[in-house]
Amino acid sequence: GQQLNQSPQSMFIQEGEDVSMNCTSSSIFNTWLWYKQDPGEGPVLLIALYKAGELTSNGRLTAQFGITRKDSFLNISASIPSDVGIYFCAGLRPDSNYQLIWGAGTKLIIKP
Amino acid sequence: NAGVTQTPKFQVLKTGQSMTLQCAQDMNHNSMYWYRQDPGMGLRLIYYSASEGTTDKGEVPNGYNVSRLNKREFSLRLESAAPSQTSVYFCASSSRGSSYEQYFGPGTRLTVT
Repeated sequence: GQQLNQSPQSMFIQEGEDVSMNCTSSSIFNTWLWYKQDPGEGPVLLIALYKAGELTSNGRLTAQFGITRKDSFLNISASIPSDVGIYFCAGLRPDSNYQLIWGAGTKLIIKP
Repeated sequence: NAGVTQTPKFQVLKTGQSMTLQCAQDMNHNSMYWYRQDPGMGLRLIYYSASEGTTDKGEVPNGYNVSRLNKREFSLRLESAAPSQTSVYFCASSSRGSSYEQYFGPGTRLTVT
């Protein structure tokens, strides 16, 4: 099945660093969503984007809906230990009402 | 307000056995979903129910059946489990107004030997 290309696969960061990750596709999307999953838990919605060019923040998190509608970006500023986890992007194509397409995830790890 | 609940949390089956995974939501959401999550593959949609009384296949429906019992409950059944169905299964729900914003349960970790 189709998946979004999410990168990087994993990131080792120092506490206090800024983090950037992205999702790209060859197809256009109407909606982009960013989720975080902690170990042993289900994904939790962080940010939803509905319009090309939209920039939305949630605390230290900022996400953007790419102008081409084929990509999205998530930035985390001044990372803290509780930011550790797996971040997923998901998109909704124009020809679908319910079936999200998911990226494979970016695993965030804090360097000791 | 519990959100989305799933039972059981863990399950081990032998090949050929059957079982039903239960999911319930208390957010008055119209749409419900079943996903499986395998390492390095993100989430894949098995079945979804856009509203009470309707169900549709997702990306990977083979080997599974679903029942939308009422607005709150959506169950997933494995009739004859296979090792390839070893995975973590998540149920999710969303409201009519924002079908794209899905809220997830804690998952069921299933191992088929």
